[in-house]
Amino acid sequence: SQQGEEDPQALSIQEGENATMNCSYKTSINNLQWYRQNSGRGLVHLILIRSNEREKHSGRLRVTLDTSKKSSSLLITASRAADTASYFCAIGAGSYQLTFGKGTKLSVIP
Amino acid sequence: DAGITQSPRHKVTETGTPVTLRCHQTENHRYMYWYRQDPGHGLRLIHYSYGVKDTDKGEVSDGYSVSRSKTEDFLLTLESATSSQTSVYFCAISETSGLIFMGYTFGSGTRLTVV
Repeated sequence: SQQGEEDPQALSIQEGENATMNCSYKTSINNLQWYRQNSGRGLVHLILIRSNEREKHSGRLRVTLDTSKKSSSLLITASRAADTASYFCAIGAGSYQLTFGKGTKLSVIP
Repeated sequence: DAGITQSPRHKVTETGTPVTLRCHQTENHRYMYWYRQDPGHGLRLIHYSYGVKDTDKGEVSDGYSVSRSKTEDFLLTLESATSSQTSVYFCAISETSGLIFMGYTFGSGTRLTVV
């Protein structure tokens, strides 16, 4: 199945630093989405980027998509302790279905 | 945001017993999904529904069945629970703007332990 693979699996940074996580996939996509999951909670939608887009911003989040390299990156600028969570990329290859990666666990140290 | 609730939030059951998990939404969304989340595997699709009585299998459907007799409710049944079905189960609905897919809204999850 079309599953995204996040890299790194875990990331630990100091508050105020930027955090970058990457997602690679194997076949063509319609869209790619990023979700956040706080411990013990459901996933929350962060941002969607369509296959004809290269970059999107939402507050402190910046997502890029390179369809030639089949990869995406999520940048969180000026991180806060509250950003500590797992981040998942999800591949939308058609219809209304998503395939999720295994996630990147981000720890932001105050 | 769609109102989406899962019940129960936690359940412990014995091997071999049937278990039903419920997902309820309040905003008439057509598409609903059941995922399971396990360490090292991320989220895997079990079954999904694209309308009342319209369901299809996902990646890990063995041992699970679903039913959708009305738009607002999507039930996941473990016919005879096994320890390998110990997991956190998430329901999700598809958010759309017209026909444009906008992403999922997830429920809070059901933590199921099979002993």
